[in-house]
Amino acid sequence: DTGVSQNPRHKITKRGQNVTFRCDPISEHNRLYWYRQTLGQGPEFLTYFQNEAQLEKSRLLSDRFSAERPKGSFSTLEIQRTEQGDSAMYLCASSLAGLAGALGQYFGPGTRLTVT
Amino acid sequence: AQTVTQSQPEMSVQEAETVTLSCTYDTSESDYYLFWYKQPPSRQMILVIRQEAYKQQNATENRFSVNFQKAAKSFSLKISDSQLGDAAMYFCAYRSRTSGTYKYIFGTGTRLKVLA
Repeated sequence: DTGVSQNPRHKITKRGQNVTFRCDPISEHNRLYWYRQTLGQGPEFLTYFQNEAQLEKSRLLSDRFSAERPKGSFSTLEIQRTEQGDSAMYLCASSLAGLAGALGQYFGPGTRLTVT
Repeated sequence: AQTVTQSQPEMSVQEAETVTLSCTYDTSESDYYLFWYKQPPSRQMILVIRQEAYKQQNATENRFSVNFQKAAKSFSLKISDSQLGDAAMYFCAYRSRTSGTYKYIFGTGTRLKVLA
């Protein structure tokens, strides 16, 4: 296992289109996080899963965003009816649960979304 | 709600010198984790160092060490013998240990430039 992977790495879409991103976490990690990062800012929490359960979702996340983690393995993040303000880097991270969670998260390379 | 503040948008250091990056946070909790993450240009974020709030001893990892002042809610990162490869964005992050939420809260980052 070589770490957290995300696909695609870059996505250009037109306003109003739907997009879906995929994240494959480190195989033994049961927590998976999604973040949004804009230029010059820190990662902004969107949502996280423990196994297949979505435990928390940011109040800032509009109804156009949805995430899934079927079977507690990979996760997808879908944005419907994209807007120019959705342009950002979308980061995925995974971690172990329990005391091992104190070891921190491991991040993927991100998916850069550009909405034209 | 917890917040993390990094008041230095940018710092510079001469190669082989020492630099300290500042981070303050606000929380009403007594048990939590603090992290420093490094994000090199166009590369993925990696964990630099972590600190558990119940431990008084400051964490160290090779050339990286922290100054954790719990009462002052301060968590600074010291980089000794700075190297060109240390140039990156550095983010401070907080995670609760007891509130039942496992989300991470990040600061806005400090861009570190290393001068040859």
